[in-house]
Amino acid sequence: GQNIDQPTEMTATEGAIVQINCTYQTSGFNGLFWYQQHAGEAPTFLSYNVLDGLEEKGRFSSFLSRSKGYSYLLLKELQMKDSASYLCAVLDSNYQLIWGAGTKLIIKP
Amino acid sequence: DVKVTQSSRYLVKRTGEKVFLECVQDMDHENMFWYRQDPGLGLRLIYFSYDVKMKEKGDIPEGYSVSREKKERFSLILESASTNQTSMYLCASRLGGGEANEQFFGPGTRLTVL
Repeated sequence: GQNIDQPTEMTATEGAIVQINCTYQTSGFNGLFWYQQHAGEAPTFLSYNVLDGLEEKGRFSSFLSRSKGYSYLLLKELQMKDSASYLCAVLDSNYQLIWGAGTKLIIKP
Repeated sequence: DVKVTQSSRYLVKRTGEKVFLECVQDMDHENMFWYRQDPGLGLRLIYFSYDVKMKEKGDIPEGYSVSREKKERFSLILESASTNQTSMYLCASRLGGGEANEQFFGPGTRLTVL
């Protein structure tokens, strides 16, 4: 079956760095997305990786290792507004998005 | 900016009622999707559409149907609502021509079935 695993909840301190991991087992792979979802709001796109390596976008970076079925989202210089759920999703061989359950990130002052 | 709107943010219905959830996007996107989101579970795809009058079943289509008569509008229908359909429903759209294009989501409809 298809499976995406990410931690349920993480806590970090304002100003610090946090890494949210995502491992996947899917039928085929055509890319991996990260979305951010604030409580009660719609998910919004953060990043897309299809090749191995690190993609940096301001305070956020996303890493992919296809051979390991692994990705992480790195958030630097954490701000209180980064408190949200972070969703990992893989585009499978049928070009359908398979979603993880999301990681709730709590930022403390 | 792409805008995806949904007809209601909150909806309360009774068991057995027919429920319509409407979604409209304003950026001429070909692809549209309906998901439900439940605590502890990932987004689960109910139905999607690649073009007007076209529809495809997702992972959990049972108890639902859809309609896409116009490119900008994608409706989700619960023929006879049941309590296990209480959930957050999210609509999304995506530009066609490349599956790697990001999906844009509406604000969601929180449906409660009593």
